[in-house]
Amino acid sequence: AQKVTQAQTEISVVEKEDVTLDCVYETRDTTYYLFWYKQPPSGELVFLIRRNSFDEQNEISGRYSWNFQKSTSSFNFTITASQVVDSAVYFCALSELTQGGSEKLVFGKGTKLTVNP
Amino acid sequence: DGGITQSPKYLFRKEGQNVTLSCEQNLNHDAMYWYRQDPGQGLRLIYYSQIVNDFQKGDIAEGYSVSREKKESFPLTVTSAQKNPTAFYLCASSISVELRVNEQFFGPGTRLTVL
Repeated sequence: AQKVTQAQTEISVVEKEDVTLDCVYETRDTTYYLFWYKQPPSGELVFLIRRNSFDEQNEISGRYSWNFQKSTSSFNFTITASQVVDSAVYFCALSELTQGGSEKLVFGKGTKLTVNP
Repeated sequence: DGGITQSPKYLFRKEGQNVTLSCEQNLNHDAMYWYRQDPGQGLRLIYYSQIVNDFQKGDIAEGYSVSREKKESFPLTVTSAQKNPTAFYLCASSISVELRVNEQFFGPGTRLTVL
């Protein structure tokens, strides 16, 4: 079965520090998709990125960057120059095919990031 | 505005009572999902629906029931058979169940507390 491990339960940083959130996954699929979601205190999950297993290029979007390394089954997320508004729970997820042929997401337990002013 | 609404935000029920959580979307999405979130835990899939009048059990369906009579609505009933119903419940939708190409959009959630 698929599995996603986010070993960091909570991280606390001071504003403007860089922070990396780790995500390690397990899958027997040769083709798979990885996701990151942000859950602010309001509770609603916000989609951040989707990455397929064929594309190992790192991606940068503003202060956010993602490092996908197939060799270590990791998909880490870095926030550069963190801000208080980045405080949230961040979830890494992996797509999985169901027996019925549809897809579902397998989520890690999340990393709670607190950015202090 | 297009989006997903869940009501109410907070819900309190006595033990042994069934309770129904509402989820409505106006995104014209075919697929809808219900997740449960417990403190320090990731999201776990309860039920999902690929299309109207169809739904499938997820990983933790016991003690829950759903219906999908309309495309825009996917209510979740937490029955008295659910042994530990206190949790945060999130509804989501996507254009289809092909999540590798279609992202899931989430509602604001309902926090259910059973007293």
